Amino acid sequence: ETGVTQSPTHLIKTRGQQVTLRCSSQSGHNTVSWYQQALGQGPQFIFQYYREEENGRGNFPPRFSGLQFPNYSSELNVNALELDDSALYLCASSVPGSGNTIYFGEGSWLTVV
Amino acid sequence: SQQGEEDPQALSIQEGENATMNCSYKTSINNLQWYRQNSGRGLVHLILIRSNEREKHSGRLRVTLDTSKKSSSLLITASRAADTASYFCATVNSGGSNYKLTFGKGTLLTVNP
Repeated sequence: ETGVTQSPTHLIKTRGQQVTLRCSSQSGHNTVSWYQQALGQGPQFIFQYYREEENGRGNFPPRFSGLQFPNYSSELNVNALELDDSALYLCASSVPGSGNTIYFGEGSWLTVV
Repeated sequence: SQQGEEDPQALSIQEGENATMNCSYKTSINNLQWYRQNSGRGLVHLILIRSNEREKHSGRLRVTLDTSKKSSSLLITASRAADTASYFCATVNSGGSNYKLTFGKGTLLTVNP
């Protein structure tokens, strides 16, 4: 039990649609990151939020955006879905400080058809 | 882009045997972490080793780090069928965001009863 909850668990969307994935972190975990994991690959860093501000971004286009809220919840939004967006999306949270354990949720499986 | 590469890509052993997985990476790191992922599920943090450490133990896990060779190994002793999972190494780069993990592609470990 990591204390990080993601929803929905699975969803199917059509190409061109928009999707919002949600994450709820432990109290006090004011750093949250999102990762995309394609089948058979390792997770790829999308972006990170700290105190409701984006403070790091991976090699993902602007149609991937996020929000972090004061209640330790966060969202990942993806616009204009493409087939290659089909993947497991993982939310990870931690308290600030190098070397602190990062806790991952179970992920949201997104299939784009 | 992937920072590290795990070796081997797949490993099949008998229960009770030891399993060794290796990870190589490319840039200077702050720390290196190992994660476990059961099929299609979230990532579970196993162990973190800092760049100034050479070896670390946790239960049946032993991790080594050789920064001169930019490599790490994860040893699981006395393996059990329940250890069957994918194992990923992930690095936190020196001078970079403390929370951006760069993952390898993983090693799929199968422990046969």
